[in-house]
Amino acid sequence: DTGVSQDPRHKITKRGQNVTFRCDPISEHNRLYWYRQTLGQGPEFLTYFQNEAQLEKSRLLSDRFSAERPKGSFSTLEIQRTEQGDSAMYLCASRGQGVSTDTQYFGPGTRLTVL
Amino acid sequence: QKEVEQDPGPLSVPEGAIVSLNCTYSNSAFQYFMWYRQYSRKGPELLMYTYSSGNKEDGRFTAQVDKSSKYISLFIRDSQPSDSATYLCAMNRAAGNKLTFGGGTRVLVKP
Repeated sequence: DTGVSQDPRHKITKRGQNVTFRCDPISEHNRLYWYRQTLGQGPEFLTYFQNEAQLEKSRLLSDRFSAERPKGSFSTLEIQRTEQGDSAMYLCASRGQGVSTDTQYFGPGTRLTVL
Repeated sequence: QKEVEQDPGPLSVPEGAIVSLNCTYSNSAFQYFMWYRQYSRKGPELLMYTYSSGNKEDGRFTAQVDKSSKYISLFIRDSQPSDSATYLCAMNRAAGNKLTFGGGTRVLVKP
């Protein structure tokens, strides 16, 4: 499978715990994006990387959130001291360099439930 | 007020009917426009991509962009029950930039 993959697909945690999600983009895609989607809403942008550089962060990304892409390949999104309001689907997308269409390919998402 | 507005539906149509979806936006800097389909508990899947005003057709799907009115549409001809999903419009200011999504319209195609 050469699509975007995310792990885990589901995560249930207790309030106050830390969680980490992983995204593996399509091979050789240099841009990687994180979005968050709550029930009944469209995805909201969190942050994106070009290779290993984090180019933009949304104001939605509080100090409890951190994202990395250390080698310009996979990325991790960590949430510290989770709150019930963090419950959402976390989506990862990737885009290749120089493609003629601005196509962001999405992964299946990680569904987080904070109890 | 959100930058991109989309009627949440649900929009219920009989099989074979034309599905008409639309979004309005407020930011004239948006240049690229996309429609994604999302099945329940899945990631969004790109259906159509357009740049500038005009029409684009791909199979049963037609996307329209009217930048002067800040209005985009998606039409699905000969709708099938498998088209039942949530349809998201998305747009950005430049290629490769973050996407701004509408809230999605839930579509139900009844056999």
